[in-house]
Amino acid sequence: NAGVTQTPKFQVLKTGQSMTLQCAQDMNHEYMSWYRQDPGMGLRLIHYSVGAGITDQGEVPNGYNVSRSTTEDFPLRLLSAAPSQTSVYFCASRSRSDRGPSGNTIYFGEGSWLTVV
Amino acid sequence: EDQVTQSPEALRLQEGESSSLNCSYTVSGLRGLFWYRQDPGKGPEFLFTLYSAGEEKEKERLKATLTKKESFLHITAPKPEDSATYLCAVQALSGGYQKVTFGTGTKLQVIP
Repeated sequence: NAGVTQTPKFQVLKTGQSMTLQCAQDMNHEYMSWYRQDPGMGLRLIHYSVGAGITDQGEVPNGYNVSRSTTEDFPLRLLSAAPSQTSVYFCASRSRSDRGPSGNTIYFGEGSWLTVV
Repeated sequence: EDQVTQSPEALRLQEGESSSLNCSYTVSGLRGLFWYRQDPGKGPEFLFTLYSAGEEKEKERLKATLTKKESFLHITAPKPEDSATYLCAVQALSGGYQKVTFGTGTKLQVIP
């Protein structure tokens, strides 16, 4: 059981380049989300999805795009990278149901370290 | 707006020296309070969920408690392997979605 898998682990981009961070989960979770983590700022929600075909903006969505064509995959696209997007990105998933021993538990991937120069 | 404040920002303990981490929160309609552990270079790892004031949960040397305004993570006789950043988060219903707001964490260092 792999849980939440993110790729790549590390990436260096030049300003203006675009790229996609991949995220896949094998727990059949309805909810998936992307966070960025910056020193002193905590985890901030970028975009989230409550199911295939449904996405919405989080707290810091500007400069990012998402889609959810399947339950398993939730890629994050950087449209035109800027130095302000240098951060650690975490993909997360959880079940829609808050019942049971794992109800409400958010499962995180290992993170993707992105540097924009 | 939901807010989560963790204190202290950093804590250095001797092995065996018990202490507590604090998480103060302001939220409308708390659905759950979470504690996570994060090791350097890793994603957050789930520890506990607390749902209502007065609830307590334990796991090894860790014990989490919840009141209407704050939560504590008590660490009893810590070991060096307990060194990590501990994150607190609150879940509340926002526009049909159960939004989760994270604090900035407490970085714990346990010295042998």
